[in-house]
Amino acid sequence: AQTVTQSQPEMSVQEAETVTLSCTYDTSESDYYLFWYKQPPSRQMILVIRQEAYKQQNATENRFSVNFQKAAKSFSLKISDSQLGDAAMYFCAYRSSLGGTASKLTFGTGTRLQVTL
Amino acid sequence: GAVVSQHPSRVICKSGTSVKIECRSLDFQATTMFWYRQFPKQSLMLMATSNEGSKATYEQGVEKDKFLINHASLTLSTLTVTSAHPEDSSFYICSARRGLGSYNEQFFGPGTRLTVL
Repeated sequence: AQTVTQSQPEMSVQEAETVTLSCTYDTSESDYYLFWYKQPPSRQMILVIRQEAYKQQNATENRFSVNFQKAAKSFSLKISDSQLGDAAMYFCAYRSSLGGTASKLTFGTGTRLQVTL
Repeated sequence: GAVVSQHPSRVICKSGTSVKIECRSLDFQATTMFWYRQFPKQSLMLMATSNEGSKATYEQGVEKDKFLINHASLTLSTLTVTSAHPEDSSFYICSARRGLGSYNEQFFGPGTRLTVL
């Protein structure tokens, strides 16, 4: 079974600064998807960014980028120019590329990000 | 973007009663729907996966007779918590996936807060 580990329960960053959230995972598969989800106080889950394992290029979405290290099974999220609205719980998630019951999301325990003035 | 709604957003019930939570994909047909449970300050825990017209697949440790899932159509899934008890109090989130391609995005509902007195 796949596991996702987020070793940072809480992180803090000053507004306009950069912060990196860590995520490691364990799998025996070679093809899969990785995601970062944001859960603000409203509890609505929002997809921040996704990465296909077969792509070597790191995904980027505006101020959000990832550092995907497949051999190390590491998938960190970098938030640049942090904004107050970035304050939320961030979950790293894994999903197999196989169909059927294998294609469910496995979530990490989450990292709570605080953004200070 | 695709929208998933949940109703009700908040429900309070007495111990021993049953509660039904609806999950609807508003602007797309959901081939698969997922039900999650989230305790305060914790991650999302998958309860079950359902496909339209077939029985739900429950995760290990989830009581299928207690948490009844009906995926009646490609846009509607319901979760019924039967004979609810205070320990069932939690935040329940549904999610819907569209498409049959090798990658199909998963969209989350806003969640339902259940309080059992």
